[in-house]
Amino acid sequence: ETGVTQSPTHLIKTRGQQVTLRCSSQSGHNTVSWYQQALGQGPQFIFQYYREEENGRGNFPPRFSGLQFPNYSSELNVNALELDDSALYLCASSPGWGSMYTEAFFGQGTRLTVV
Amino acid sequence: AQRVTQPEKLLSVFKGAPVELKCNYSYSGSPELFWYVQYSRQRLQLLLRHISRESIKGFTADLNKGETSFHLKKPFAQEEDSAMYYCALSDNYGQNFVFGPGTRLSVLP
Repeated sequence: ETGVTQSPTHLIKTRGQQVTLRCSSQSGHNTVSWYQQALGQGPQFIFQYYREEENGRGNFPPRFSGLQFPNYSSELNVNALELDDSALYLCASSPGWGSMYTEAFFGQGTRLTVV
Repeated sequence: AQRVTQPEKLLSVFKGAPVELKCNYSYSGSPELFWYVQYSRQRLQLLLRHISRESIKGFTADLNKGETSFHLKKPFAQEEDSAMYYCALSDNYGQNFVFGPGTRLSVLP
């Protein structure tokens, strides 16, 4: 059991709405990354947070934003939802950043459907 | 641009046969390479990473910088190896993970 939990497991939203997805990292892990996984594709890196600061970002527009809290929980916020945002959103945590800490422990994901 | 390709969407082999899952990458620098696996109804988990040079569940992967490949191999496939396999790379700081599209391995009895 990796200890990374995500909520909710499933979510349906309407185009144009805003959504917040939550992740609780494994205890002691101060780095969290978020990924979008469309059907039939590999996970795509959205961004990474380290000690509450954004530490890296993939090719996603600014309407994808995040927060990391002192208790190592984190949020992914998506504004102005589009149909193409429908995907599985994965959270992954690791105990630090740097070459010694590059193993990521994944959550089960949140399935977001935009209608 | 960083990119990971896995040419096979589906690979089917018989139990006991050798298996090789192909992975090629493009990256300007020295990436870290990984194989992640997702068994049915389970979360994505690390199988192995090139810097540790381990053999996990009988799987090995050799980084070939000349061919920019990181193929995953196992000499004798088992039914419990059936899963989705993703090749991935990151920079040395664990940032900017790039995953391939994945290969579904099906080991037939």
